Amino acid sequence: HSALTQPASVSGSPGQSITISCTGTNSDVGGYNYVSWYQRHPGEAPKVIIYEVSSRPSGISNRFSGSKSGNTASLTISGLQAEDEADYYCGSYTSDSTLVFGGGTKLTVL
Amino acid sequence: QVQLQESGPGLVKPSQTLSLTCTVSGDSISSGHYYWIWIRQPAGKGLEWIGRIYFGGSTNYNPSLKSRVTISVDRSKNQFSLNLRSVTPADTAVYYCARDDFWNKRSLDVWGKGTTVTVSS
Repeated sequence: HSALTQPASVSGSPGQSITISCTGTNSDVGGYNYVSWYQRHPGEAPKVIIYEVSSRPSGISNRFSGSKSGNTASLTISGLQAEDEADYYCGSYTSDSTLVFGGGTKLTVL
Repeated sequence: QVQLQESGPGLVKPSQTLSLTCTVSGDSISSGHYYWIWIRQPAGKGLEWIGRIYFGGSTNYNPSLKSRVTISVDRSKNQFSLNLRSVTPADTAVYYCARDDFWNKRSLDVWGKGTTVTVSS
């Protein structure tokens, strides 16, 4: 499985909304509702913010939401805040019992 | 609170074997509720799933690394380990261990902080 495709960078101003896309294939993103999103601040371990396409773990702000259409999943962050500036990665389970990630998207809050 | 901590050499010579251990605290690998996995990230690149192990010892590996990788578990020490053979500079990366909540939330819910491994002579 090739890596999932994410934009290298996105940016937005405080209060705005941004969306990060994650494109795969029928054998991963499109084939299962097992897409998750991870946030990583510099020097820290990644943290799951969305699982199973659109579910939020306990403690994660409802400003984070996920969706999927066909082979593309999306992460939307609304009401952008300075603390949201981080790297974001999508991940998906695959048809051959592996896990594949996107290349990561750097979010800059202007 | 569940914590994972990677340990091992930060420098490995080309053609040698990279060996890392992940120590789990706050949870028991033997509970059977999770997979335990290794992931790496070369500088400037995305995350790469290396493989996973279940408490009983069954494993799955990334096909691109399968010929060089072995993941094992030591339940008595509550640890799992990664061996990557015949390394090259391309294996230089930050290596993470993580817990895979595969049967519940299908996501990696606990991560180690990562350890940097450099392959160089």
